Amino acid sequence: NAGVTQTPKFRVLKTGQSMTLLCAQDMNHEYMYWYRQDPGMGLRLIHYSVGEGTTAKGEVPDGYNVSRLKKQNFLLGLESAAPSQTSVYFCASSSPNRAGSNEQFFGPGTRLTVL
Amino acid sequence: QKEVEQDPGPLSVPEGAIVSLNCTYSNSAFQYFMWYRQYSRKGPELLMYTYSSGNKEDGRFTAQVDKSSKYISLFIRDSQPSDSATYLCAMRGGATNKLIFGTGTLLAVQP
Repeated sequence: NAGVTQTPKFRVLKTGQSMTLLCAQDMNHEYMYWYRQDPGMGLRLIHYSVGEGTTAKGEVPDGYNVSRLKKQNFLLGLESAAPSQTSVYFCASSSPNRAGSNEQFFGPGTRLTVL
Repeated sequence: QKEVEQDPGPLSVPEGAIVSLNCTYSNSAFQYFMWYRQYSRKGPELLMYTYSSGNKEDGRFTAQVDKSSKYISLFIRDSQPSDSATYLCAMRGGATNKLIFGTGTLLAVQP
């Protein structure tokens, strides 16, 4: 079991460039999430998905798009990167069948720098 | 005002000390309370989970929830250098699976 994996681990972009971050999970979880983590701001939810083919906006969705074409994958896209999107991005997944805790399992993160 | 407030620290303690980490919140709908531990350059991992008010103990860790005061705590007994990490509180209401995280407290346990 690899759990939640993220690709790539590091990336440097120039302002205006685009990129896609890939998240994959092998736990058959229904729910998947994308967060960004910035100093002093904690984890903030960007977008999430409650099932294949469905996505919804989180707390800070502007400048990002997502797709969930397969249950095990959740893609985060930046169409035109800005320096304000420099951050560490975490993907997580959870199962609504685990009564109560809805434990979210996190990937190792992607460190993105936008110059 | 943020929904969840957490002192960012850093908190530095000697090995063997009792550590107290706290969060306050404003949303009375929160029912599920969690503590995540995050080592440097790693993803968060669930440490403790509590439903509604009360205490929960797991080895050296104790989680407390006081819903009347909107205050949650994590106690670490006999702290070890391996406990050095950032501790994030997280919580959610019953109708949503979305978690609201605190900013995290950086803990350093000195050998």
